[in-house]
Amino acid sequence: IQMTQSPSSVSASVGDTVTITCRASLDISTWLAWYQQRPGKAPKLLIYAASSLQSGVPSRFSGSGSGLDFALTISSLQPEDAATYFCQGALTFPLTFGQGTKLDIK
Amino acid sequence: QVQLQQSGPGLVKPSQTLSLTCAISGDSVSSDTAAWNWIRQSPSRGLEWLGRTYYRSRTNWVYDYAASVKSRITINPDTSKNQFSVQLNSVTPEDTAVYYCARGFTLNYLDVWGTGTTVTVSS
Repeated sequence: IQMTQSPSSVSASVGDTVTITCRASLDISTWLAWYQQRPGKAPKLLIYAASSLQSGVPSRFSGSGSGLDFALTISSLQPEDAATYFCQGALTFPLTFGQGTKLDIK
Repeated sequence: QVQLQQSGPGLVKPSQTLSLTCAISGDSVSSDTAAWNWIRQSPSRGLEWLGRTYYRSRTNWVYDYAASVKSRITINPDTSKNQFSVQLNSVTPEDTAVYYCARGFTLNYLDVWGTGTTVTVSS
């Protein structure tokens, strides 16, 4: 199953809201995760099952979608949100990742 | 809290075997609810899942591998040391990447990651 993210990069200001989208090549129901990766660090799980917030993740992160199309929305952007975000299909193995969306904070 | 500590060489010669270990603290490699994964990341391939192992009382140990490396990869649990390892044979420069181990819950969501090991394949 291929995962396609858009955009590949986005720039926004502190306090803005940004939305990143991910499309699966097959219907994966809600078997989708979102990760945040800061430079030089391992990915960090933000959202699983398309819309469930991982423990300890701020509530300004939210996920939506099912089937083929999914979205990660980050509201009230903070400077520490500057990172690359990946979606991951989780219906079955092999686990597959999107190519990433780099978020810059102006 | 669960932590994963990776170890292994950062430089491997072409045609040789890449070997990395991931030591688990705060959980068990024999857990009936977790899966233990290896993932790598490179600029050319992005994040690439390589494989996993997990234990279930109904099925004993299960091993799943990505088709792209299936002929060259082995993932092994070590219950005596509470760790798991990956071996990738016949490496080429294309295998140069940052390698991560990660725990999977409900099998397919990766909630705990190691810090990563940069592996360079070069003579």
